[in-house]
Amino acid sequence: NAGVTQTPKFRILKIGQSMTLQCTQDMNHNYMYWYRQDPGMGLKLIYYSVGAGITDKGEVPNGYNVSRSTTEDFPLRLELAAPSQTSVYFCASRGRQDYNYGYTFGSGTRLTVV
Amino acid sequence: AQKVTQAQTEISVVEKEDVTLDCVYETRDTTYYLFWYKQPPSGELVFLIRRNSFDEQNEISGRYSWNFQKSTSSFNFTITASQVVDSAVYFCALSEADSWGKLQFGAGTQVVVTP
Repeated sequence: NAGVTQTPKFRILKIGQSMTLQCTQDMNHNYMYWYRQDPGMGLKLIYYSVGAGITDKGEVPNGYNVSRSTTEDFPLRLELAAPSQTSVYFCASRGRQDYNYGYTFGSGTRLTVV
Repeated sequence: AQKVTQAQTEISVVEKEDVTLDCVYETRDTTYYLFWYKQPPSGELVFLIRRNSFDEQNEISGRYSWNFQKSTSSFNFTITASQVVDSAVYFCALSEADSWGKLQFGAGTQVVVTP
């Protein structure tokens, strides 16, 4: 009953460094999403995927990349980290027809770029 | 384009008072889904409710109730007899039926309940 697992929970990056935020779900969900939450703001969609091998940009994709080689995993890659990417990142998943109970969110990754 | 507006940034109440959170949305779709999420100080997102656009029936769950009015594009949330544990940020969100499940969130309303 792991649901959506995000790692790491916290990370401090220096400007220009790169990193990958990991997201894994064990519910065989087709749809997966990456959101970022800036202080005092709502969540904004970075990228999403509707199945293995299929990804698309959300509202704020610049500075990020994703891949979806398996149904379970949806990593988010930050290249050349910038202070503007300081945020809390949430991964979420949902079954294709599963509107009944909303989405399953991970516990978040708090990223600070200094 | 879809849009969700939560005009109230913060609401402070004393325990046992009622509090109503406003949510106004915009969408061109006739089929859509509305959600409320709670984010306690620990940071996780807790699902509260989903409502379909074709179901305007109001809902009550314990101390929580929701008022969905398509005529005014609003989906308001009321906490009755608030408790300190209700202190959190509450988000309203919208997903259009043909949007691959993408959620558009409002900016959130911080609820502070003091004893």
